[in-house]
Amino acid sequence: KQEVTQIPAALSVPEGENLVLNCSFTDSAIYNLQWFRQDPGKGLTSLLLIQSSQREQTSGRLNASLDKSSGRSTLYIAASQPGDSATYLCAVEQGGKLIFGQGTELSVKP
Amino acid sequence: DGGITQSPKYLFRKEGQNVTLSCEQNLNHDAMYWYRQDPGQGLRLIYYSQIVNDFQKGDIAEGYSVSREKKESFPLTVTSAQKNPTAFYLCASSIELADTDTQYFGPGTRLTVL
Repeated sequence: KQEVTQIPAALSVPEGENLVLNCSFTDSAIYNLQWFRQDPGKGLTSLLLIQSSQREQTSGRLNASLDKSSGRSTLYIAASQPGDSATYLCAVEQGGKLIFGQGTELSVKP
Repeated sequence: DGGITQSPKYLFRKEGQNVTLSCEQNLNHDAMYWYRQDPGQGLRLIYYSQIVNDFQKGDIAEGYSVSREKKESFPLTVTSAQKNPTAFYLCASSIELADTDTQYFGPGTRLTVL
């Protein structure tokens, strides 16, 4: 059974710092991996999607990498801002369904 | 504006009562999904529907029921059989089943059972 784990569960950094969020999965037979952002009490917004054949995707200050063989993905956020404060969830697609990690709650202090 | 709406945003119910959560989309998507989120946990799939009048159980369907009488609507009923119903419920839709890279999420309903 696929399990998705995110470390750390919570992270607090000063504004301007570069940071890395980690996501690991136990079964490498995935179709794709997505990173989502969730603001408190709100729904999910897709940030980046990496197909299983890809190694990374970039959008602005965000860069996501995928190493399928080792079951790992990282989300790199450059020059963090207070507006980046949110919970970040990764999810893998397998068998037509999304399987989510528990999320990393990020707080960027001004 | 196209999107997914969920109502109400907050819902309170007494233990033992059934409650129905609304989910409506005007994206013309065929597939719709219901997820449950508990504090500090990821989303878990409750039910999903590929097309009108068809739906399938997800990973945690016990104590829940759904219907899909219209393409735009996928209501979720939390029954009294659900042992721990207090949670944040998210509805999503996609163009078709397994098309997860186009899966859009609603704003969620927070259900509290007193």
